Amino acid sequence: QQQVKQSPQSLIVQKGGISIINCAYENTAFDYFPWYQQFPGKGPALLIAIRPDVSEKKEGRFTISFNKSAKQFSLHIMDSQPGDSATYFCAARSKAAGNKLTFGGGTRVLVKP
Amino acid sequence: DTGVSQNPRHKITKRGQNVTFRCDPISEHNRLYWYRQTLGQGPEFLTYFQNEAQLEKSRLLSDRFSAERPKGSFSTLEIQRTEQGDSAMYLCASLLGFSEAFFGQGTRLTVV
Repeated sequence: QQQVKQSPQSLIVQKGGISIINCAYENTAFDYFPWYQQFPGKGPALLIAIRPDVSEKKEGRFTISFNKSAKQFSLHIMDSQPGDSATYFCAARSKAAGNKLTFGGGTRVLVKP
Repeated sequence: DTGVSQNPRHKITKRGQNVTFRCDPISEHNRLYWYRQTLGQGPEFLTYFQNEAQLEKSRLLSDRFSAERPKGSFSTLEIQRTEQGDSAMYLCASLLGFSEAFFGQGTRLTVV
């Protein structure tokens, strides 16, 4: 059962543009929603995270928007740079379930110079 | 470098052989998780430890898989009688309490 659905699967954006990745979840027990960035051959690295009592969180060029009623959240990458080219994963976890992460399927982002 | 160390980074093995991977978490982190990631997919949870106790195992973890965390420090994941379907990246993550999870670089397993 895929509890976190992520779209699109891939994304091409021009340098300086905005990348938008969307995720939807089913389990209302989830209480923490991180985004991870992964480069080929490397482990996922935490980018930014949000809790459901907040509707938006911004860190530098990265913003998470969270809609609790719709059970959706999204990542916006502003002023996209070639170095942002990577695979991005949304995830969710709950304390009640031992904080294990449930990941979306990933979005491969390519930023063209 | 997140401070979570995994060894080896790559492992090529013949079908039917046993393999063992090691994860050294960040020293003060009491929780340690194993995930498996196949090409083009998100990581999937396998099992986790709180200190030395294994608290949960996923249905993905067949009886050919076993994990240990002696003394609540490093952890090992063993796969017996490997199959081609076991080929994947095996990721380890650690965290303290309910803090952020930090992942290692992973061990890439190829079963030929």
